[in-house]
Amino acid sequence: EAGVAQSPRYKIIEKRQSVAFWCNPISGHATLYWYQQILGQGPKLLIQFQNNGVVDDSQLPKDRFSAERLKGVDSTLKIQPAKLEDSAVYLCASSLDIVSAYEQYFGPGTRLTVT
Amino acid sequence: AQKITQTQPGMFVQEKEAVTLDCTYDTSDQSYGLFWYKQPSSGEMIFLIYQGSYDEQNATEGRYSLNFQKARKSANLVISASQLGDSAMYFCAMREGIQGAQKLVFGQGTRLTINP
Repeated sequence: EAGVAQSPRYKIIEKRQSVAFWCNPISGHATLYWYQQILGQGPKLLIQFQNNGVVDDSQLPKDRFSAERLKGVDSTLKIQPAKLEDSAVYLCASSLDIVSAYEQYFGPGTRLTVT
Repeated sequence: AQKITQTQPGMFVQEKEAVTLDCTYDTSDQSYGLFWYKQPSSGEMIFLIYQGSYDEQNATEGRYSLNFQKARKSANLVISASQLGDSAMYFCAMREGIQGAQKLVFGQGTRLTINP
């Protein structure tokens, strides 16, 4: 069974530029999560989707971050414009459904460096 | 307020020894779940073990066991017979929120290094 796929694996941009990350969850998983992991910290949930609907985006900085999951499968997270403090690893995870949210499977992450 | 506290930034252990990684949590919910994840240098978060708040027995998965002390609000991870491949970051996490909108809250992590 294929795992959670993310791309790109690494990205370096200058502040005020925009960037987009892509995630393809495990086939059949209805719930998708985006986390931000700043160096030296644990992951922090940014947004959670159930199919193509948003369940929780309370910690998403909506002035610069946006995410979509239009067809309920893959998802894109965008930052526009980026700030230095956005440098982090962005992890995507998926679970079968919201009831089994405890069993989340994580992708390899995208490491973003903002200079 | 910190909901998950991992007080050990780093741990160094000799190969084949057992190691305990500490985790304390704070919640007023009656129903919650506690998790441990391993994050090797590759960056992927690997699920290790889960303990539900109503589970009476401590969870075990192979060499991993969770020492759950509900009254003390602690959920320590015990790795028996450590191996070089166990070197990684370890995160304790708690599931919180109402059913249908639950999320994981992670601690700061502990970096475990296994010495040969």
